[in-house]
Amino acid sequence: GAVVSQHPSRVICKSGTSVKIECRSLDFQATTMFWYRQFPKQSLMLMATSNEGSKATYEQGVEKDKFLINHASLTLSTLTVTSAHPEDSSFYICSARDTNGSSNQPQHFGDGTRLSIL
Amino acid sequence: GQSLEQPSEVTAVEGAIVQINCTYQTSGFYGLSWYQQHDGGAPTFLSYNALDGLEETGRFSSFLSRSDSYGYLLLQELQMKDSASYFCAVRALKAAGNKLTFGGGTRVLVKP
Repeated sequence: GAVVSQHPSRVICKSGTSVKIECRSLDFQATTMFWYRQFPKQSLMLMATSNEGSKATYEQGVEKDKFLINHASLTLSTLTVTSAHPEDSSFYICSARDTNGSSNQPQHFGDGTRLSIL
Repeated sequence: GQSLEQPSEVTAVEGAIVQINCTYQTSGFYGLSWYQQHDGGAPTFLSYNALDGLEETGRFSSFLSRSDSYGYLLLQELQMKDSASYFCAVRALKAAGNKLTFGGGTRVLVKP
């Protein structure tokens, strides 16, 4: 089945550090990938839609200069949290759907990245 | 925009049946998905309904009524490992980016 790999799984770093998270579709191509953030005991909130070869589409209230997204190939999207602060500590999860699959193909999620900013 | 409502928590015993209801208000509806998430883990796909009716996958079934903007996930023969959060998610039309919007999640606690 479709596999989405996300790396790293956990990051602990000092305030002011920039952190890059990678999301890869391992056995399918994805022209679109999605980045979510989840705070403890809350739902997944869509941050942005990553579009291969073009600019990402950000949801309302998400700072595009704070959360930089690059989707340089059909199998890789990266999210960079720039100058991270403690309030950015959260569980970040990416998802992707097989572009070449049927319209009923589900979105598959990576294992998530737990970001802790000290 | 999209909004989804589902119960926050359900408790049941092993072997029981649990139904998690989900009502939604949305523009550009394409389908309703269900995901399971264990504490500390990522969501895993359970089921998807694009058309009205029941979809059965082993012990789990999902139902959709588009006219009522309503769906449910049915968990049968509950096992301890089914203790997790369950999210319904509306999938938007391709023109709206194929985005998934998640409900608040239902925490299911299975007791012996």
